[in-house]
Amino acid sequence: AQTVTQSQPEMSVQEAETVTLSCTYDTSESDYYLFWYKQPPSRQMILVIRQEAYKQQNATENRFSVNFQKAAKSFSLKISDSQLGDAAMYFCAYRSLLSNFGNEKLTFGTGTRLTIIP
Amino acid sequence: DAGVIQSPRHEVTEMGQEVTLRCKPISGHDYLFWYRQTMMRGLELLIYFNNNVPIDDSGMPEDRFSAKMPNASFSTLKIQPSEPRDSAVYFCASSPLTLRSGNTIYFGEGSWLTVV
Repeated sequence: AQTVTQSQPEMSVQEAETVTLSCTYDTSESDYYLFWYKQPPSRQMILVIRQEAYKQQNATENRFSVNFQKAAKSFSLKISDSQLGDAAMYFCAYRSLLSNFGNEKLTFGTGTRLTIIP
Repeated sequence: DAGVIQSPRHEVTEMGQEVTLRCKPISGHDYLFWYRQTMMRGLELLIYFNNNVPIDDSGMPEDRFSAKMPNASFSTLKIQPSEPRDSAVYFCASSPLTLRSGNTIYFGEGSWLTVV
């Protein structure tokens, strides 16, 4: 079974600065997807960014980028130019690529609460 | 696209009452998931369906919980009888087949359940 670990329960960053959230995972599969979801106080789960394991290039979405290290099984999220609206809980998640009955779910980490300091 | 639609958004009920949570997945999606989120246990998968068929219900806590998907556009999660420890945010989510559309699972806004 796959596991996802987020070792930073809380992080804080000054507005306009850059912050990196850590995530490691364990899997025996070679093909999979990794995700970062954002959960603001409204509790809605919002997709931030997605990475396909077979792609070497790190995914980017505006101010959000990842550092994907497949051999190390590491998938960190970098938020540049932090804004007050970035304050939220951030979850790292894993999903198998192959459709294999019983294997299609998202496995989540425990989350990192990000505070933005004005 | 309207996204995944859940109802009710908030529910407060008394212990022992029946609770029914409803979900309409994104049209055309093959998978539907029910997750529960609590402070103590984080995000837990309760059950998921593929083409209306339950695939994995190992996360359903006990017999008080049941889930159905009578058709591709509707699912329910029922708790009977409800207990205070069932208080949580319940998320419904859907996705297309894993090999299409980036394998992304899309979440509804959640149903906040409080059992007093």
